[in-house]
Amino acid sequence: ETGVTQSPTHLIKTRGQQVTLRCSSQSGHNTVSWYQQALGQGPQFIFQYYREEENGRGNFPPRFSGLQFPNYSSELNVNALELDDSALYLCASSLVASGENIQYFGAGTRLSVL
Amino acid sequence: AQSVTQLDSQVPVFEEAPVELRCNYSSSVSVYLFWYVQYPNQGLQLLLKYLSGSTLVKGINGFEAEFNKSQTSFHLRKPSVHISDTAEYFCAVSRIKAAGNKLTFGGGTRVLVKP
Repeated sequence: ETGVTQSPTHLIKTRGQQVTLRCSSQSGHNTVSWYQQALGQGPQFIFQYYREEENGRGNFPPRFSGLQFPNYSSELNVNALELDDSALYLCASSLVASGENIQYFGAGTRLSVL
Repeated sequence: AQSVTQLDSQVPVFEEAPVELRCNYSSSVSVYLFWYVQYPNQGLQLLLKYLSGSTLVKGINGFEAEFNKSQTSFHLRKPSVHISDTAEYFCAVSRIKAAGNKLTFGGGTRVLVKP
């Protein structure tokens, strides 16, 4: 158990809808990263939040957006859902100290877009 | 930019036999190296990490990995596998001491342990 919790565990949406995924970071961690894992592939970095600001972004369109709250929890929002957005979305929390940035993952939210 | 290649997409192995999962990386800067395991319908669990020091790293569940800078490799080994080691294994890298380190993952190696 890493102490990183994600909700919901599963979600079904239709194309064009919007979705919000939530993540509670491990106690003491100040950074949250989001990853998309398509079926049969490795996770791909979406973005990272540190001190409530975006701190690095992968190759994802602007319809993927996020928030980090003062308690370091985070949300991932995806607008105008497309079929290819179907994936496991993983949240990872870490403590940015000494540059090590070891990331601990939650169990993920499985999103299906029909 | 960094990239990670896991040379085997699937590795079948008999119980109590040894296993080696191969990982090669490419980076223009120094990196940290990680192996994560993903059991069915679960998130990623950190197996082990190389940050600095000894190039032979021991992790959880009897796994170990060796960092080879000249060959840019970080292969994972276990001398005797159990049925419970059936899972997908991911090699990952991140830049050293860079704020906002993202993890760059390989495509994964699926290990199937047979009785």
